[in-house]
Amino acid sequence: NAGVMQNPRHLVRRRGQEARLRCSPMKGHSHVYWYRQLPEEGLKFMVYLQKENIIDESGMPKERFSAEFPKEGPSILRIQQVVRGDSAAYFCASSRGSQGYNEQFFGPGTRLTVL
Amino acid sequence: GENVEQHPSTLSVQEGDSAVIKCTYSDSASNYFPWYKQELGKGPQLIIDIRSNVGEKKDQRIAVTLNKTAKHFSLHITETQPEDSAVYFCAASKGRSQGNLIFGKGTKLSVKP
Repeated sequence: NAGVMQNPRHLVRRRGQEARLRCSPMKGHSHVYWYRQLPEEGLKFMVYLQKENIIDESGMPKERFSAEFPKEGPSILRIQQVVRGDSAAYFCASSRGSQGYNEQFFGPGTRLTVL
Repeated sequence: GENVEQHPSTLSVQEGDSAVIKCTYSDSASNYFPWYKQELGKGPQLIIDIRSNVGEKKDQRIAVTLNKTAKHFSLHITETQPEDSAVYFCAASKGRSQGNLIFGKGTKLSVKP
C-alpha cells in the first residue's frame, strides 16, 4: 500500500515564476492537508481540503497561494510569483476522514528553492 | 492564538538511557496529540498518539502521557538506540475539529553509541 506521494521532491524557481506542488493521498484517504516547514522550525498548517472542497485555509497567505483537490487527480498547491521567502519544505498529509480524529500521514515533502 | 511549546530543543543521551520530551498546549479544547519522528530529508512519521480520554499510552519502547488539567503531554523513549536519533515533533489538534494540527518546534535527539 503506497504512502502519501509528493512530486516533485525538489523544485527550483526564479523569483516571479510559478510553483506547482502535487500530492497524492494514501489509498482510501479523502482528506488532504498542506504544511510548510522552514529550516529548524516545526510545521505550520496551511490548508485542509476534501475532494472538490476547501475545509480550512486559515493558514494560507491570502495572496499568491492557492490549493485544490479535484475530483480526479492529485491535490495541487500553487504559488504564483514566488519570492525568496517562499523557500521551504512543503509537506502534504492525508487522513481517512469521517468520524473521530484520524491520523495524518505525511509525504516526503517538496523542497522549494527560490533563486 | 493557539500554541504548542516543546522542550528541550536538543537532547543527547547515551545508548540504553531514557529520553523524555515535554510539550504544553494552550487550547483547552484540543483533544488529539500525536508525536512525529522526522529523519533528515524525510517527511514526519507518526510514531504514537493519544486522545484526551486517556492519560497514558504505550507501544513497546515508546510511551506518551497526557495531563489535561495542566495541558501538557510527554514522550518517553526507553532503552534508546542510535536509530532513535532524529527530530521529534509534538502536535495538538486545533480544538475538537478534525484537520488542523499545531506543531511544536521540535527536539533534536542524539543517541550516542
